[in-house]
Amino acid sequence: NAGVTQTPKFRVLKTGQSMTLLCAQDMNHEYMYWYRQDPGMGLRLIHYSVGEGTTAKGEVPDGYNVSRLKKQNFLLGLESAAPSQTSVYFCASSQTSGNTIYFGEGSWLTVV
Amino acid sequence: AQSVTQLDSQVPVFEEAPVELRCNYSSSVSVYLFWYVQYPNQGLQLLLKYLSGSTLVKGINGFEAEFNKSQTSFHLRKPSVHISDTAEYFCAVSDPQGGSEKLVFGKGTKLTVNP
Repeated sequence: NAGVTQTPKFRVLKTGQSMTLLCAQDMNHEYMYWYRQDPGMGLRLIHYSVGEGTTAKGEVPDGYNVSRLKKQNFLLGLESAAPSQTSVYFCASSQTSGNTIYFGEGSWLTVV
Repeated sequence: AQSVTQLDSQVPVFEEAPVELRCNYSSSVSVYLFWYVQYPNQGLQLLLKYLSGSTLVKGINGFEAEFNKSQTSFHLRKPSVHISDTAEYFCAVSDPQGGSEKLVFGKGTKLTVNP
């Protein structure tokens, strides 16, 4: 009963380092999303995908890249981490547009 | 663009008291509305959603919400809260034509239930 799984759960990066967050879903969902959550800001959409091989920009895409090479996986990359990217990152998925979105448990990233 | 306002950032209540968490949205056209709950150090879980039909929507854990189109509101209520309801609650809105990627979240309301 995994649902949406994110790895790693915690990571500390130095400014300028790169890293990739991995999201995997086992529900055969078409849509996948990456959000970031900051105190008092709610959730903001970084990038999303409407199917394998597709990606699109969300509200706050700068400094991030994504890839959806397989339907079940959605990767979020930080090419050169900045302290402003310190946040909690949530991956999510949904079967189609308008359906319930299911969230992973979050990845805590600190950039020092 | 859609926007969501959660009128209270923090709501403290005593156990077994009723609670209402307020949510207003900006659009006057048809909308989908959601309430999500986030327990400490966890992801978000869907509490309930309004897509169409009855304006009173019942969700999990005894929560319900009422869609009021004239007031563009979707307030969340529970008649008697438990300690375990302590969490952050997010209201969200999307345009039925715009897709899930257009889902806009409010900034959250932290509910603290005290004994």
